[in-house]
Amino acid sequence: GQNIDQPTEMTATEGAIVQINCTYQTSGFNGLFWYQQHAGEAPTFLSYNVLDGLEEKGRFSSFLSRSKGYSYLLLKELQMKDSASYLCAVCRDSNYQLIWGAGTKLIIKP
Amino acid sequence: EPEVTQTPSHQVTQMGQEVILRCVPISNHLYFYWYRQILGQKVEFLVSFYNNEISEKSEIFDDQFSVERPDGSNFTLKIRSTKLEDSAMYFCASKLEGQTSGGTEAFFGQGTRLTVV
Repeated sequence: GQNIDQPTEMTATEGAIVQINCTYQTSGFNGLFWYQQHAGEAPTFLSYNVLDGLEEKGRFSSFLSRSKGYSYLLLKELQMKDSASYLCAVCRDSNYQLIWGAGTKLIIKP
Repeated sequence: EPEVTQTPSHQVTQMGQEVILRCVPISNHLYFYWYRQILGQKVEFLVSFYNNEISEKSEIFDDQFSVERPDGSNFTLKIRSTKLEDSAMYFCASKLEGQTSGGTEAFFGQGTRLTVV
């Protein structure tokens, strides 16, 4: 079966760093995406990893280990606007049938 | 910046009625998708569409669902006879290429919140 696991909720302090983990077991792998979703809004793209290693994009970085079925999203210099759900999604094939995790709700405190 | 637009933003319908959710993908994109998210639950894939035909669909996408690209710009999702459990946020997405390479991502519309009563 398809399974993507991420923590339900995390809390962090403004200005700090937080790491959100995602583990997956899927039949087929064609990349892993991280999306940000504010309540009631559409997911917005953050990052994409298809090879092992770290991808850095400004305050956000994403890491992938295919052999371990593991990824993390690292958020630095947290801002209040980063309070949102962070969704891990695995693309199984070229048809972009994304399998989504349940999302991690990140709460930022002043 | 180009964006995917969806209408209406919120639709309330009675159980058993037909609804059509509309999407205008980004103009030069070739691949189109519908996803749904029941309140408080995961985003779920419904269907992908390319070259005027369905390329893949999930088990959720049963005979009650259909998609169309009636003209060069619109991409619609029709639910023939709505059920209470169809209440969800429906997201349309479009993508320039089918192969996920070079970090090309799908762009999502803001969603249509469907409420079946």
